[in-house]
Amino acid sequence: ELKVEQNPLFLSMQEGKNYTIYCNYSTTSDRLYWYRQDPGKSLESLFVLLSNGAVKQEGRLMASLDTKARLSTLHITAAVHDLSATYFCAVDKRGWGGSEKLVFGKGTKLTVNP
Amino acid sequence: SQTIHQWPATLVQPVGSPLSLECTVEGTSNPNLYWYRQAAGRGLQLLFYSVGIGQISSEVPQNLSASRPQDRQFILSSKKLLLSDSGFYLCAWSYGTGMGTDTQYFGPGTRLTVL
Repeated sequence: ELKVEQNPLFLSMQEGKNYTIYCNYSTTSDRLYWYRQDPGKSLESLFVLLSNGAVKQEGRLMASLDTKARLSTLHITAAVHDLSATYFCAVDKRGWGGSEKLVFGKGTKLTVNP
Repeated sequence: SQTIHQWPATLVQPVGSPLSLECTVEGTSNPNLYWYRQAAGRGLQLLFYSVGIGQISSEVPQNLSASRPQDRQFILSSKKLLLSDSGFYLCAWSYGTGMGTDTQYFGPGTRLTVL
């Protein structure tokens, strides 16, 4: 059974600081996704990582994937208040008919304080 | 461009009442469709997914069911709601197999409270 673990689950940080969120998964997969969820809202796709060593960057967020270690990281650089949200990683579990079944981590609730 | 709609946005229902949530996708054909539930303060649980009309796979046995009567329409139903059915229901779509990155795109969600 595929399990996805994120840590930390809660993160409070000051503006301007750097931090990393970790996502570990238990079985082989070659696709990993990061999503953002604002309070009371739906999920917004941030990154899709498709191969070992993949790195994607958007603004102050950078995601990477190490398929050998079964680990993805989401690095936050010089945090700003607007980044406050819950961040989910999700791992592909290829399903019936070729559909994309995702197993989600529990999410990391990030609060950026001024 | 593609858009995904869900309705209603909010719903308050008594225990034992029926449920029907609807999801429609515009701007693409033959998408894969998914229903998720997010309980308060928790992660997402995949409930159902569909790769085509009338093709439904259930992930979690429960009192919910799903149907796909049209290519871009996905419906979540229950005959009798339980308190534990409360949550945030999210519909998502992705391109069919072999197309795109298979990223799932989520709708705005329906917040269901069962009293």
